[in-house]
Amino acid sequence: AQTVTQSQPEMSVQEAETVTLSCTYDTSENNYYLFWYKQPPSRQMILVIRQEAYKQQNATENRFSVNFQKAAKSFSLKISDSQLGDTAMYFCAFMKNNDMRFGAGTRLTVKP
Amino acid sequence: EAGVVQSPRYKIIEKKQPVAFWCNPISGHNTLYWYRQNLGQGPELLIRYENEEAVDDSQLPKDRFSAERLKGVDSTLKIQPAELGDSAVYLCASSLGAGPDTQYFGPGTRLTVL
Repeated sequence: AQTVTQSQPEMSVQEAETVTLSCTYDTSENNYYLFWYKQPPSRQMILVIRQEAYKQQNATENRFSVNFQKAAKSFSLKISDSQLGDTAMYFCAFMKNNDMRFGAGTRLTVKP
Repeated sequence: EAGVVQSPRYKIIEKKQPVAFWCNPISGHNTLYWYRQNLGQGPELLIRYENEEAVDDSQLPKDRFSAERLKGVDSTLKIQPAELGDSAVYLCASSLGAGPDTQYFGPGTRLTVL
């Protein structure tokens, strides 16, 4: 079974700085999908970014980018120019055949 | 376009009481998911529907949990009777089809069992 590990339970960053959240996963599959979701205190899980494993190019969405290392089974999220609204829980997720597995999450606090 | 709608947002019940949660997915989304999220953890899948068919319910505790999606649109998740350990956030999500589509989540229902 696939497992997702987020080794940083909590992180903090100063506003306007850059922060990187770590995620590793364990799978024997070759084709799969990886996601980062954000969950603010309102509880709504919001998609941040998505990466297809067959694509070598790292996905980017405005201030959010990933470092996808397929051989190392690593999928980190970089947030540039952090904003107060980025304060939330961030979950890394692995999906194969619509079966999605989440990590335990990293609580990110952006400090003014 | 409206997102995934869930109700109620909060529910407090005594143990052994029944409870039901409702979810309306994004219009046109054929696949619907129910997740349970315990405090401090990521969501865990309870059941997945493709249209009205439950295609993955391996993690659903069938002795007390049931779900239905009769017309392939909205869905209800029921617990009867509730136990203290059922306290959690119950999330509903939907995706367009059965392929590797992005899942969109509702705001969840926070259940507290006293």
